[in-house]
Amino acid sequence: AQTVTQSQPEMSVQEAETVTLSCTYDTSESDYYLFWYKQPPSRQMILVIRQEAYKQQNATENRFSVNFQKAAKSFSLKISDSQLGDAAMYFCAYREGSNFGNEKLTFGTGTRLTIIP
Amino acid sequence: GAGVSQSPSNKVTEKGKDVELRCDPISGHTALYWYRQSLGQGLEFLIYFQGNSAPDKSGLPSDRFSAERTGGSVSTLTIQRTQQEDSAVYLCASSYRVGNQPQHFGDGTRLSIL
Repeated sequence: AQTVTQSQPEMSVQEAETVTLSCTYDTSESDYYLFWYKQPPSRQMILVIRQEAYKQQNATENRFSVNFQKAAKSFSLKISDSQLGDAAMYFCAYREGSNFGNEKLTFGTGTRLTIIP
Repeated sequence: GAGVSQSPSNKVTEKGKDVELRCDPISGHTALYWYRQSLGQGLEFLIYFQGNSAPDKSGLPSDRFSAERTGGSVSTLTIQRTQQEDSAVYLCASSYRVGNQPQHFGDGTRLSIL
């Protein structure tokens, strides 16, 4: 079974600084997708960024970028120029690559990010 | 509506009672997922619907849990004879069936069992 591990329950960063959240996963599949979701106090899960395993290039979305190390099964999230609105729980998630099957997500336990003004 | 809608937002009930949680997915989304988020934990998959059928129920924790979906739209998650360990946030997500489409989540229902 696939597992996702986030070893940092809590992280904090000074506003405008850069922070990196760690995630490792375990799978025997070669085709899969990885995601970072943000969950503010409103509880809604918001997709931050996603990475297809077959792509070597790291995904980037504005201030958010990932460091995807497929051989090491590592998928870290870097947030640059941290803003107060970035404060939230961040979840790393995995799903198998399947165009027509079940696309259920497997989540890590999350990292609570605090932004220090 | 524009997003996934879940009701109620919060539910408090006594141990042993039955509860129904509702999810109204984004219009046109054929795939629907239920997840459970216990305190301090990540999301745990419960059940997946494709249209009105549920090809994967593997995450339902016991036979007290059931779910249905009608008209390829609204889904109801029912928990019978609730126990205190059922207390959690129940999140629903939907997506288009065509591959590689992201899941859109609702705000969840916070269920508290007294």
